[in-house]
Amino acid sequence: AQSVTQPDIHITVSEGASLELRCNYSYGATPYLFWYVQSPGQGLQLLLKYFSGDTLVQGIKGFEAEFKRSQSSFNLRKPSVHWSDAAEYFCAVASGSQGNLIFGKGTKLSVKP
Amino acid sequence: DAEITQSPRHKITETGRQVTLACHQTWNHNNMFWYRQDLGHGLRLIHYSYGVQDTNKGEVSDGYSVSRSNTEDLPLTLESAASSQTSVYFCASTEDKLTGELFFGEGSRLTVL
Repeated sequence: AQSVTQPDIHITVSEGASLELRCNYSYGATPYLFWYVQSPGQGLQLLLKYFSGDTLVQGIKGFEAEFKRSQSSFNLRKPSVHWSDAAEYFCAVASGSQGNLIFGKGTKLSVKP
Repeated sequence: DAEITQSPRHKITETGRQVTLACHQTWNHNNMFWYRQDLGHGLRLIHYSYGVQDTNKGEVSDGYSVSRSNTEDLPLTLESAASSQTSVYFCASTEDKLTGELFFGEGSRLTVL
């Protein structure tokens, strides 16, 4: 069965520092992978998605993610974090059987001034 | 602009009462989903629909039902609310159920006393 693991429940980084959020997936075929962001009290918003082609995908708000098939990973990165990036981040994989997304449990990002 | 709206945003009810959470989208998407979000569990799929008169059970469907009488609406009903159903509920829709971006409502926070 498909699954998504986000190993880090909570990460704190300093403003201006680089960021990497980890995501590992379990899926038999080529996965469709997504990163969503949730600000407090809000719904989720798509940051970026990977279907095929270039393994480095660019998203909104300066985020990027790299698909590594050999490591079953789809880590999210940002070179310089802003205070407004404080939020919860969810990695997801499309479920081929149910036609919906399977979400990881999320990583909460805190940003220190 | 097209949008997806949920109501009510906050509700407190008592054990055993029937509760209905509304979800309305104006994108004309065929595919709609209900998730619940709980600390430590991320988002879990409750029910989903691929079109009018189509409904399907998700991972945590016990105690919930949905109906789809038109494209725009997918109300979620708790037949007899239980304290375990205290949660934040998110409705989402997408044009393409496998590869498309999920658009989320802002959530409905339900407390069952």
